[in-house]
Amino acid sequence: RKEVEQDPGPFNVPEGATVAFNCTYSNSASQSFFWYRQDCRKEPKLLMSVYSSGNEDGRFTAQLNRASQYISLLIRDSKLSDSATYLCVVSQYSSASKIIFGSGTRLSIRP
Amino acid sequence: ETGVTQSPTHLIKTRGQQVTLRCSSQSGHNTVSWYQQALGQGPQFIFQYYREEENGRGNFPPRFSGLQFPNYSSELNVNALELDDSALYLCASSPRSGGTSGGARNEQFFGPGTRLTVL
Repeated sequence: RKEVEQDPGPFNVPEGATVAFNCTYSNSASQSFFWYRQDCRKEPKLLMSVYSSGNEDGRFTAQLNRASQYISLLIRDSKLSDSATYLCVVSQYSSASKIIFGSGTRLSIRP
Repeated sequence: ETGVTQSPTHLIKTRGQQVTLRCSSQSGHNTVSWYQQALGQGPQFIFQYYREEENGRGNFPPRFSGLQFPNYSSELNVNALELDDSALYLCASSPRSGGTSGGARNEQFFGPGTRLTVL
């Protein structure tokens, strides 16, 4: 079983729709959580950190559920420019650092 | 732009050769992490450097080694290249929180990557 799992998609949704992704992780000692987006043949770019209390940045909302060991990303009023691969990241740092990326969820927004 | 730079952009090597990839971190960042990304996969953590020492390592063999310099720039060295080493190699810099831990606590900012092809 992978330490971090994501639905690979692709999710194909119309412009203006709301779309949600989940990402599950297996190590309960995980401490930090992030969402990145990656455009085709480009480097990952930080989208947002994920906090226990949940956080929102414009049309994007991230949630963390430690009990069920998953993080989620909600995109409201989706735009064509949201088309990308969304990567969840889980890390531990109590002793040595360990950073695990999911394989990514592909999102395609159609006009 | 993140301010993280990598060189070279592309590289072609043959099996058995050695390669060195370079990364300059964003100003004010003292931690550098290296990743390997195969096509269609998420980045795989190779290792992280802080204060010129390795501070965490993923499941990569010892022929993957690194260095960090006093200016926080870093190198990734791969010996005895194999065909499966063909991938995009990404480095990411991050600020370090205080104390002995925390290198993975903070957001990371990625360079554009080096695309390595092993023939």
